[in-house]
Amino acid sequence: DTAVSQTPKYLVTQMGNDKSIKCEQNLGHDTMYWYKQDSKKFLKIMFSYNNKELIINETVPNRFSPKSPDKAHLNLHINSLELGDSAVYFCASSHGDTRTDTQYFGPGTRLTVL
Amino acid sequence: AQSVTQPDIHITVSEGASLELRCNYSYGATPYLFWYVQSPGQGLQLLLKYFSGDTLVQGIKGFEAEFKRSQSSFNLRKPSVHWSDAAEYFCAVALTGGFKTIFGAGTRLFVKA
Repeated sequence: DTAVSQTPKYLVTQMGNDKSIKCEQNLGHDTMYWYKQDSKKFLKIMFSYNNKELIINETVPNRFSPKSPDKAHLNLHINSLELGDSAVYFCASSHGDTRTDTQYFGPGTRLTVL
Repeated sequence: AQSVTQPDIHITVSEGASLELRCNYSYGATPYLFWYVQSPGQGLQLLLKYFSGDTLVQGIKGFEAEFKRSQSSFNLRKPSVHWSDAAEYFCAVALTGGFKTIFGAGTRLFVKA
């Protein structure tokens, strides 16, 4: 069983479109995250959710809107896509505090904006 | 400001040779330090972590890392590299508050036969 899954794995779209990426974890974790990895492999946190509540929002443009319908899911909706949004987006989860609890990462979604 | 620096963008080692990947951090509080590995097309997997106790920590796949507070370093080592170790390696620090982790830029490891 996949611990953290993301769909789709690849997403190719035109500038200006709206798209969503879904994430699900079956680990029973309370905390979920979205990270963006750019073309130089630099990995940066975007959002952290704990028990469905937004904890961290790293000055991400408000075109990005995370939604957590329940503790097992954290979806990422992106409006008005721009070229600079092209990246690999990783979902992750942890039991709680990332200082001591292991983060488990999904396989990533490669978003290409044309 | 908090930061993690991995000075080497890429490293090439021969199979069977030893490996050391460097990591320096800048963080005013007690650092909670991690090493992750990312194989091509995959997500990140935790290799090991340190937050207290013995400064030499053992991880999976034969990796170890040593925390040196005086040098603000947390270098990753492996005594004998296997071809399957070729991947991207990320050092990271988790910040106070518990829900934010900062990653270094990564070091790409190439293993030659």
